[in-house]
Amino acid sequence: RKEVEQDPGPFNVPEGATVAFNCTYSNSASQSFFWYRQDCRKEPKLLMSVYSSGNEDGRFTAQLNRASQYISLLIRDSKLSDSATYLCVVNGNTGFQKLVFGTGTRLLVSP
Amino acid sequence: DAGVIQSPRHEVTEMGQEVTLRCKPISGHNSLFWYRQTMMRGLELLIYFNNNVPIDDSGMPEDRFSAKMPNASFSTLKIQPSEPRDSAVYFCASSLQGQFSYNEQFFGPGTRLTVL
Repeated sequence: RKEVEQDPGPFNVPEGATVAFNCTYSNSASQSFFWYRQDCRKEPKLLMSVYSSGNEDGRFTAQLNRASQYISLLIRDSKLSDSATYLCVVNGNTGFQKLVFGTGTRLLVSP
Repeated sequence: DAGVIQSPRHEVTEMGQEVTLRCKPISGHNSLFWYRQTMMRGLELLIYFNNNVPIDDSGMPEDRFSAKMPNASFSTLKIQPSEPRDSAVYFCASSLQGQFSYNEQFFGPGTRLTVL
């Protein structure tokens, strides 16, 4: 079983739609969780961290369910510029930190 | 501010040749990471350094791969001899890590390697 699993998509949505991505992780000791965004042929960039209480950044909301080992990302009012691959990332170690990346969920927002 | 710098951006080589990828981390960052990305396997951590010391190289595929960080501003990833299955995008990332805290990793633009 992969450490971090995501639905690869693609998710095809019209502008203005709300879309949600889910991710599961296998290491119950994981402490830190993130969503990264990767545009086509570009490097990954941090979108947001995911906190136990849930957190929101504009149109983006991230949730964590430790009991189910499940992370989600909700995008409201989708824009064409949201088209990208969204990588679920988990950090299982304290001290010197390693990141484990999911293979990503591709989102295509159309006019 | 300059981000993480990688060179070359593209490399095409023939099987059996030596390949050297270079990375300059963001000034002041103390941790450096080498990743490989393929369609099949996604983004995989190969090795990371903290304060120029290799901490974990368990992701390095085999002895053909080696990495060095001679100083805080430069690292290399070498493949010798290269094989077609090494074809991938290689990313370098850097961050400022504390012992009990996580700070964002900043990725370079990547080196797209093709081994014929």
